[in-house]
Amino acid sequence: SYELTQPPSVSVSPGQTARITCSGDALPKQYAYWYQQKPGQAPVLVIYKDSERPSGIPERFSGSSSGTTVTLTISGVQAEDEADYYCQSADSSGTYGVFGGGTKLTVL
Amino acid sequence: QVQLQESGPGLVKPSQTLSLTCTVSGGSISSGSYYWSWIRQPAGKGLEWIGRIYTSGSTNYNPSLKSRVTISVDTSKNQFSLKLSSVTAADTAVYYCARDSSHGEGLNYWGQGTLVTVSS
Repeated sequence: SYELTQPPSVSVSPGQTARITCSGDALPKQYAYWYQQKPGQAPVLVIYKDSERPSGIPERFSGSSSGTTVTLTISGVQAEDEADYYCQSADSSGTYGVFGGGTKLTVL
Repeated sequence: QVQLQESGPGLVKPSQTLSLTCTVSGGSISSGSYYWSWIRQPAGKGLEWIGRIYTSGSTNYNPSLKSRVTISVDTSKNQFSLKLSSVTAADTAVYYCARDSSHGEGLNYWGQGTLVTVSS
């Protein structure tokens, strides 16, 4: 079945820029979404349609797409951004959804 | 503000059927263009998309679970449900219900999640 690939971990110092990638063959055809999950909490949508930001999400969160890779960028990382981040998309026909394995963002 | 709340048994025996319900408040489950979805997460692991039901009643399932999953909707109660048959310990997880938009806005409303343990 279809898979999305993320790096297991990313580490950055406060104020720096964090970039988390997600790769999948169908990403040129299907939108990608990004979710932030803190321990013991439900995921929160931070990016939809590759690069759109829901209301209430800080401007430091942005998304981009290039070919089979999408990227979540967090500019000026803050301690509160430490969390697990998951990309999500669909198979090439849009029949079913799939999540990436998740990336643990550590703020040093 | 839309809110979702999962409910159901927290303990299910192996080989039995897991049944969960998601109650939607703050809006009608039958209005708008939405997918009502189920996602699960084993302890310490990542999210797994289980399936969804559209406002019209059509369904989509994860191919790896398709033979065991049924998602249905009860518009009179403003609820949708998940049934997963022939469960094993590998089905032990926190189960989330969520709302997805058919306009590509993503899973923007989630329940708090409910832990289901499969054990005898």
